[in-house]
Amino acid sequence: QKEVEQDPGPLSVPEGAIVSLNCTYSNSAFQYFMWYRQYSRKGPELLMYTYSSGNKEDGRFTAQVDKSSKYISLFIRDSQPSDSATYLCAMSAKSGAGSYQLTFGKGTKLSVIP
Amino acid sequence: DTGVSQDPRHKITKRGQNVTFRCDPISEHNRLYWYRQTLGQGPEFLTYFQNEAQLEKSRLLSDRFSAERPKGSFSTLEIQRTEQGDSAMYLCASSLAVFWEPPTPNEQFFGPGTRLTVL
Repeated sequence: QKEVEQDPGPLSVPEGAIVSLNCTYSNSAFQYFMWYRQYSRKGPELLMYTYSSGNKEDGRFTAQVDKSSKYISLFIRDSQPSDSATYLCAMSAKSGAGSYQLTFGKGTKLSVIP
Repeated sequence: DTGVSQDPRHKITKRGQNVTFRCDPISEHNRLYWYRQTLGQGPEFLTYFQNEAQLEKSRLLSDRFSAERPKGSFSTLEIQRTEQGDSAMYLCASSLAVFWEPPTPNEQFFGPGTRLTVL
């Protein structure tokens, strides 16, 4: 079992739909939770991060973390064709060497159809 | 542009050749990471620098791989005697660590990556 599990999709939705993306994880030491967006052949772009449990909202995006269930979610409201990309969840905990290396899911490929 | 930059963006090489990639982090960032991403997978951690010190290496980083960050600024990743299995996107990320409470959010900012193809 991988430390972080994410359904790779693909996921196809009509423009304006609410999109729900999620990941589960097994390492209870994870404290930081992030969502990255990656366009084809580009580097990942940080969308949102959360420290510990709770919700965070930024415009059309809402990130949720439930540490008791080891489950994180990203919601996209009023989805747009420009949201079409691969969404990667990532999480980290401080290592003994002081690194906060990220552990990523496989990514979910999202297509928003006009 | 004040983001993370990587050079070259693409590299095609023959099996057995050596290659070197460069990463220029965001200027005030003291932490630098290298990751590798293969098709259909998320990035995987390779190594970590705090300033000029390489503090952590993944077991993915075989003896053929070496990374440096002289003077705590740019970093290089060298792969010796490349193999076809080394074909991947090599990503660099940087972040700013502060050494007081509360814990830093550890926002890592990624560069565009170097896509390596080994023939």
